[in-house]
Amino acid sequence: SQQGEEDPQALSIQEGENATMNCSYKTSINNLQWYRQNSGRGLVHLILIRSNEREKHSGRLRVTLDTSKKSSSLLITASRAADTASYFCATDEGGGFKTIFGAGTRLFVKA
Amino acid sequence: DAGVTQSPTHLIKTRGQHVTLRCSPISGHKSVSWYQQVLGQGPQFIFQYYEKEERGRGNFPDRFSARQFPNYSSELNVNALLLGDSALYLCASSSDRGGETQYFGPGTRLLVL
Repeated sequence: SQQGEEDPQALSIQEGENATMNCSYKTSINNLQWYRQNSGRGLVHLILIRSNEREKHSGRLRVTLDTSKKSSSLLITASRAADTASYFCATDEGGGFKTIFGAGTRLFVKA
Repeated sequence: DAGVTQSPTHLIKTRGQHVTLRCSPISGHKSVSWYQQVLGQGPQFIFQYYEKEERGRGNFPDRFSARQFPNYSSELNVNALLLGDSALYLCASSSDRGGETQYFGPGTRLLVL
């Protein structure tokens, strides 16, 4: 089963535009993480936000977390062609011993 | 420092066979997790091991098993392979018991014919 559900499933934008992806989850969490995956390779950790945090920044990335709505968003500003990838949210479950990933958002950034 | 390594990178098996996948975590990391990723989907959690003990298990049949060795490397074993086992198998390591940042290997792509 998948806890996180990303929206939209796919997103196509022009270089320089901002990209926003959303994630919803079902149960209470300790933290939520976002990962990037290029062309079916290993995942790269982008950012972790804890349940007592509402917003976090890392470079061109901005993540928000609304635990009352059980949702998170990832904003990539000034996108580049190199940002083309699949983006997944992941939540912890079972005391942190189980990480549940969503189905992902496929981002295409056109040069 | 070397990242998470996995072997082999690609594997082709036939139905009914057995497969062993291997993972070496980042030096100093004691936790290893295994995931199955079918094309077009997100990774599905299979197992987590910490200090050589199984700490978490996903919804996978008993055909899937794993173990962690004293040096914290890990093996994932799958018996009686089915066509549906074709997937990218990802290993991730972390420095703690879980829920924190995981570092992923490049994966092993398994094709079952």
